[in-house]
Amino acid sequence: QKEVEQNSGPLSVPEGAIASLNCTYSDRGSQSFFWYRQYSGKSPELIMSIYSNGDKEDGRFTAQLNKASQYVSLLIRDSQPSDSATYLCAVNESGGSYIPTFGRGTSLIVHP
Amino acid sequence: EAGVAQSPRYKIIEKRQSVAFWCNPISGHATLYWYQQILGQGPKLLIQFQNNGVVDDSQLPKDRFSAERLKGVDSTLKIQPAKLEDSAVYLCASTFQGGNTIYFGEGSWLTVV
Repeated sequence: QKEVEQNSGPLSVPEGAIASLNCTYSDRGSQSFFWYRQYSGKSPELIMSIYSNGDKEDGRFTAQLNKASQYVSLLIRDSQPSDSATYLCAVNESGGSYIPTFGRGTSLIVHP
Repeated sequence: EAGVAQSPRYKIIEKRQSVAFWCNPISGHATLYWYQQILGQGPKLLIQFQNNGVVDDSQLPKDRFSAERLKGVDSTLKIQPAKLEDSAVYLCASTFQGGNTIYFGEGSWLTVV
């Protein structure tokens, strides 16, 4: 049974701070990793994907992957109240069809 | 470009009744997913279709849930009979064949009382 673990939070940070969201996964065969953002009452939307060890930056978002430690994280710089949402980590194993396994999500609250 | 369409958006039924949800994926997307998301949890895959064939239905409770995608386009998910623990959001999603960006619909919210 593939597992993706996230701290449910809530993680509370002040506006302008860096928010750090973490995720661990159990399947060493996993090859692709994704972060989705889900606003309350809305459906998930993809914000970042990462496939190789290291950092990947996109605007205020940075995804970090460490396959040896089976760990992926998302950093949000200059956090804004509009970033308040649940962040879902999703992991897909290599080959075959794309069937991501989702974590339960971490609730982020950015307060003014 | 139109997104993934789902209906109904909200449904309240009594336990042991039946319900059906409909999904129309983004045009040209061969892969269609149904996920169940219980409040406070992440989405859990129920079934994945590639065109009109089932790729993975290992987590679909087949004694009460069924899904079909007869013409490889839109899909229907049925629950019969419903249980209280089926209360959740049912998310339909799609992607093009070989793609790894899933586009979700707005979801169908089910409450079983």
